[in-house]
Amino acid sequence: EVQVVESGGGLVQPGRSLRLSCEVSGLNINSYGMHWIRQASGKGLEWVSGISWGGSSIAYADSVKGRFTMSRDNAKNFVYLQMNSLTTDDTALYYCTTGGGGGTYGDFFHHWGPGTLVTVSS
Amino acid sequence: DIQMTQSPSSLSASIGDRVTITCRASQPINIYLNWYQHKPGKAPKHLIYGAASLQSGVTSRFRGTGSGTEFTLTISSLQPEDFATYYCQQSYSVPRTFGQGTKVEVK
Repeated sequence: EVQVVESGGGLVQPGRSLRLSCEVSGLNINSYGMHWIRQASGKGLEWVSGISWGGSSIAYADSVKGRFTMSRDNAKNFVYLQMNSLTTDDTALYYCTTGGGGGTYGDFFHHWGPGTLVTVSS
Repeated sequence: DIQMTQSPSSLSASIGDRVTITCRASQPINIYLNWYQHKPGKAPKHLIYGAASLQSGVTSRFRGTGSGTEFTLTISSLQPEDFATYYCQQSYSVPRTFGQGTKVEVK
């Protein structure tokens, strides 16, 4: 059984940084794209970032470009999201997902974690 | 960026009803369209990929159709466990984008 577990969320002041981690078990992620998706309270799902299986291609939503950096460590089966210059608009539950199907990043979001909550507030 | 628009935003239905949700893309996306089910307090669940292919383990009550810019998700006979919010999502290009969601509620 594939399990995805996010960590690193918490309360942070505007302008500060936070690093999210995502551990995958039951699946060797080195063949899969990976993604971060978030959901603010009462809002819909928003794709944040995706990374190709080898890490050579990384894409970001316009709302986080230049502030967030996604990376991966295939040897450890982890992906990360470094979030800098956080604003209150970044407050959300952040999900990590595996990319299923083909393509650079995977065609769909397959296995999801329960999410880690990031709250940006002074 | 490709905009995804779902309709309706919410609907009320009864057990056994046939439910249809529509998703429109702002430009042609071939069949690069996925559907997800999301219940409060749980992780979203992937239902359909490639517009019409059922994810392994998903009940055949769910059916996806469409190509280009118009897509539909149909639940053939609504069951208690189907009350949830449903999202479409395009995988034609990055940034990946979701529809705003359709909440299926009890009538």
